[in-house]
Amino acid sequence: SQQGEEDPQALSIQEGENATMNCSYKTSINNLQWYRQNSGRGLVHLILIRSNEREKHSGRLRVTLDTSKKSSSLLITASRAADTASYFCATDLLQGAQKLVFGQGTRLTINP
Amino acid sequence: DARVTQTPRHKVTEMGQEVTMRCQPILGHNTVFWYRQTMMQGLELLAYFRNRAPLDDSGMPKDRFSAEMPDATLATLKIQPSEPRDSAVYFCASGLGWDSPLHFGNGTRLTVT
Repeated sequence: SQQGEEDPQALSIQEGENATMNCSYKTSINNLQWYRQNSGRGLVHLILIRSNEREKHSGRLRVTLDTSKKSSSLLITASRAADTASYFCATDLLQGAQKLVFGQGTRLTINP
Repeated sequence: DARVTQTPRHKVTEMGQEVTMRCQPILGHNTVFWYRQTMMQGLELLAYFRNRAPLDDSGMPKDRFSAEMPDATLATLKIQPSEPRDSAVYFCASGLGWDSPLHFGNGTRLTVT
């Protein structure tokens, strides 16, 4: 069963613009992770944010977490053509089996 | 640069045949996950191991799927007998626990005709 759901399902923007993707989840978590997947390849880890953190940065990436709303956002600033990929959020479960469950992903296209 | 290795990259087989997919996790990683990705279902967790012991395989059809870790350097996922609905990309990922980043292989694309 899906724990996280990304929004939008697809996003197309011009190079240089900022891209924002959102993730909502249903149950309390310990941490939330964001991954990128290029076509035909495996997923690549981007950022892990813990439930007691509100914001995290890594280069052009900024992730926020709002546990009261059970949501997270991934912001990519100054987008590049190479950022074209699918982006997934993944959550564990605070209680129960400790496993990582992925959402359906957002397909991001950066137009040159 | 350490990486997760999956073999084969592609597999085409006929319905009813046995399929074995292999994964070499990153040395030192104690957690191994198997995921299946399809357009319709997205990424589904099939099974995962910690220190070679299976912790959860509730996502797998038990009658035809089996997952094992014969040793710390090899994880296998078997389907017997295979069915067309098993067609998907199967990913293996390893890490240092559920609360640390996962490292994914490039997957095995399985087509069952």
